[in-house]
Amino acid sequence: SQQGEEDPQALSIQEGENATMNCSYKTSINNLQWYRQNSGRGLVHLILIRSNEREKHSGRLRVTLDTSKKSSSLLITASRAADTASYFCATEGGGSQGNLIFGKGTKLSVKP
Amino acid sequence: NAGVMQNPRHLVRRRGQEARLRCSPMKGHSHVYWYRQLPEEGLKFMVYLQKENIIDESGMPKERFSAEFPKEGPSILRIQQVVRGDSAAYFCASSTGKGTEAFFGQGTRLTVV
Repeated sequence: SQQGEEDPQALSIQEGENATMNCSYKTSINNLQWYRQNSGRGLVHLILIRSNEREKHSGRLRVTLDTSKKSSSLLITASRAADTASYFCATEGGGSQGNLIFGKGTKLSVKP
Repeated sequence: NAGVMQNPRHLVRRRGQEARLRCSPMKGHSHVYWYRQLPEEGLKFMVYLQKENIIDESGMPKERFSAEFPKEGPSILRIQQVVRGDSAAYFCASSTGKGTEAFFGQGTRLTVV
């Protein structure tokens, strides 16, 4: 079943702008992970945020987690054309064995 | 430290043939997960294995699909008597266990003709 749902489904911005993608989920989680996928390629792990964390940074990426609203956001600052990709959130459920449940992703297009 | 290695990258099979997909996890990782991705979709969990054990196969179709992770060698996802609907990208991920980052391979793109 689909756990994470990303919003928006597609996002088009100009280089230099910030991009914000949101993810909502339904059940309790151990952690939430964000991945990037370039067209036709594998997934690249971006950030893991645990259920007891509220915010995490990595370079130009900032992830927030609000467990009361069952939502997370990924912010990419000062976007570049190379950031063009699909972005997925994936949740590891509280009762899971470690497998991840993915949303359908947000397709980000950064125009130079 | 090589990443997760999957092969082949592309596989073409005729309907009714068998498809074997291989996955070598990252060094030090004993947990392997298989996912399937249809075009323009997210990844759907199929099966979770540790060495010589299937931990969770709740996402595996009941027929024609099987997976193993032997004591020696890569994890294998096997699809018998493939049908057109099996055409998809199959990704393998590995981790050191629950609550840790899962790293993905480049995937095997299966096309059934």
